[in-house]
Amino acid sequence: EAGVVQSPRYKIIEKKQPVAFWCNPISGHNTLYWYLQNLGQGPELLIRYENEEAVDDSQLPKDRFSAERLKGVDSTLKIQPAELGDSAVYLCASSFTGSGGTSGSLNYNEQFFGPGTRLTVL
Amino acid sequence: LAKTTQPISMDSYEGQEVNITCSHNNIATNDYITWYQQFPSQGPRFIIQGYKTKVTNEVASLFIPADRKSSTLSLPRVSLSDTAVYYCLVGDMGSYNTDKLIFGTGTRLQVFP
Repeated sequence: EAGVVQSPRYKIIEKKQPVAFWCNPISGHNTLYWYLQNLGQGPELLIRYENEEAVDDSQLPKDRFSAERLKGVDSTLKIQPAELGDSAVYLCASSFTGSGGTSGSLNYNEQFFGPGTRLTVL
Repeated sequence: LAKTTQPISMDSYEGQEVNITCSHNNIATNDYITWYQQFPSQGPRFIIQGYKTKVTNEVASLFIPADRKSSTLSLPRVSLSDTAVYYCLVGDMGSYNTDKLIFGTGTRLQVFP
């Protein structure tokens, strides 16, 4: 079974330019997460979707960040315009709400992470 | 949301058992304890999860005392490939309107030959 897919893996842009990241979760997973990870730090949650609804976006800087998950499957995270401080790794994760879901996980809210997109803003 | 505290780093040698302790004094009744492992240039990977007492799987064991204010991840006979960052998370896994998993800075484990 394919894991969480993210693209691109790397992105280098100049400040003030827009950038978008794409994530395709594991099939059957209804919950999708976007995290930001700075060097030497743990992942920080930006937004969480349950199906197509954003149930927690309190940490998303809404002046420049936006996200969508239109059909409750794949998702896009956008930054416009990018700033130097946005340089980080952007991680996508998915999970199945509850235990024993179709993904085969028997653990509550076990999140499966993609490899991330490393963004460098020059 | 329960805050967690864990050592910043630990060193070990191949073949030794490693125990990483996480403190979570404000753990709530519905909170589960979950540990993730992260290698460089990869996303975190689930290791183990528990609520109380002891949980064991093919990778690790998780010890949780009766008061649940701390937990210990035990890695038996570590190898060089266990060099990674280990995160302890505490949260209400059943409440998807309020849970917000906070990874913290994790514990950086370095295994030497």
